[in-house]
Amino acid sequence: AQKVTQAQTEISVVEKEDVTLDCVYETRDTTYYLFWYKQPPSGELVFLIRRNSFDEQNEISGRYSWNFQKSTSSFNFTITASQVVDSAVYFCALMVDDYKLSFGAGTTVTVRA
Amino acid sequence: ETGVTQTPRHLVMGMTNKKSLKCEQHLGHNAMYWYKQSAKKPLELMFVYSLEERVENNSVPSRFSPECPNSSHLFLHLHTLQPEDSALYLCASSQDLGGGYTFGSGTRLTVV
Repeated sequence: AQKVTQAQTEISVVEKEDVTLDCVYETRDTTYYLFWYKQPPSGELVFLIRRNSFDEQNEISGRYSWNFQKSTSSFNFTITASQVVDSAVYFCALMVDDYKLSFGAGTTVTVRA
Repeated sequence: ETGVTQTPRHLVMGMTNKKSLKCEQHLGHNAMYWYKQSAKKPLELMFVYSLEERVENNSVPSRFSPECPNSSHLFLHLHTLQPEDSALYLCASSQDLGGGYTFGSGTRLTVV
């Protein structure tokens, strides 16, 4: 069975601070995909990144960066120099050899001006 | 506006009502999904359609009935719901099964 754990329920930071969201996953499959989604107050889930299990390179996209560590089954997400527009719920998700996304419970990020 | 459009955005219905949620995508995707997002719970996959055929029914009560008349449209028909069915219902699509999802903005359903 697949499982995604986001231990942080809520994080509150002041603008320009960095914030790191933790994600730990469980699967027995050797081939899988990891995702991060952002859900702003408007409700839609916005795709941020997809990473396959064979690519452990860290990735940076603007102020966003991701740290994939297979040894610890973690796929952490860092927002650098946070902005108020980053306030949202962030979900980590896992997909194995089918089409089903298993989501974590989400982390609510609040960035205060 | 995302590539997946859901209507209505908000719906309040009584337990004896019948209503339908609509999802539409013009991305040329072949797979469509219904997810339920309840407060303080992970998103739950409800139904999956691929090329208009249902491929997944995740132990969802029969008071939820999906319909996929073509690859661009997906409906969720609701009848005799319970208050615990109140949630955000999200539709998603992907090019094929297992591809990257595009989500709609959801329908916020309240059952009174």
